[in-house]
Amino acid sequence: DTGVSQNPRHKITKRGQNVTFRCDPISEHNRLYWYRQTLGQGPEFLTYFQNEAQLEKSRLLSDRFSAERPKGSFSTLEIQRTEQGDSAMYLCASSPWGPGITEQFFGPGTRLTVL
Amino acid sequence: GNSVTQMEGPVTLSEEAFLTINCTYTATGYPSLFWYVQYPGEGLQLLLKATKADDKGSNKGFEATYRKETTSFHLEKGSVQVSDSAVYFCALSRAGGGADGLTFGKGTHLIIQP
Repeated sequence: DTGVSQNPRHKITKRGQNVTFRCDPISEHNRLYWYRQTLGQGPEFLTYFQNEAQLEKSRLLSDRFSAERPKGSFSTLEIQRTEQGDSAMYLCASSPWGPGITEQFFGPGTRLTVL
Repeated sequence: GNSVTQMEGPVTLSEEAFLTINCTYTATGYPSLFWYVQYPGEGLQLLLKATKADDKGSNKGFEATYRKETTSFHLEKGSVQVSDSAVYFCALSRAGGGADGLTFGKGTHLIIQP
């Protein structure tokens, strides 16, 4: 059983560029979550999917942030026109669906540096 | 809204010392409570959880009890090891199930000295 994987692990970009991150959840997990973690803080929830449906996106930080999960498997998080304040670790998590299922399984994260 | 407050770090202890990391929360209803751990260079791992009042979660010698009356979920271990050095995060999910993002505390950096 492989865990949640994220690519790339590190991304350095210049301000104003667009970036896209990929997350592959644990197979058969139909829920997928994105978080942002800045230095010295806990993860901050951004959005989540159940299969291909994005059921919560009001916490996305601005309209520059968008996420997709077109076939209910992997997901992408895109940040358009990056700003220096977007520098952070972006985490993906997945969980199975079922009564009483509450824990989430996290990937290693993608560290974004905006110059 | 939901929030989690945990003690500031870093917390530095000697090997075999007793550990307590305090965590209190604000939430409506009965959320599920978690402790996650992040070892250096690794991703977040679930350490333990409790889903209802008075439940005790335990794993790898760590324990935490869900206290509804004090809205707390303090993490304890009787004898820490150098390998326990990591950042520990307290978190909650909203009452009623896991179909939502977790709310995390800021994390407590634990340093165990030999």
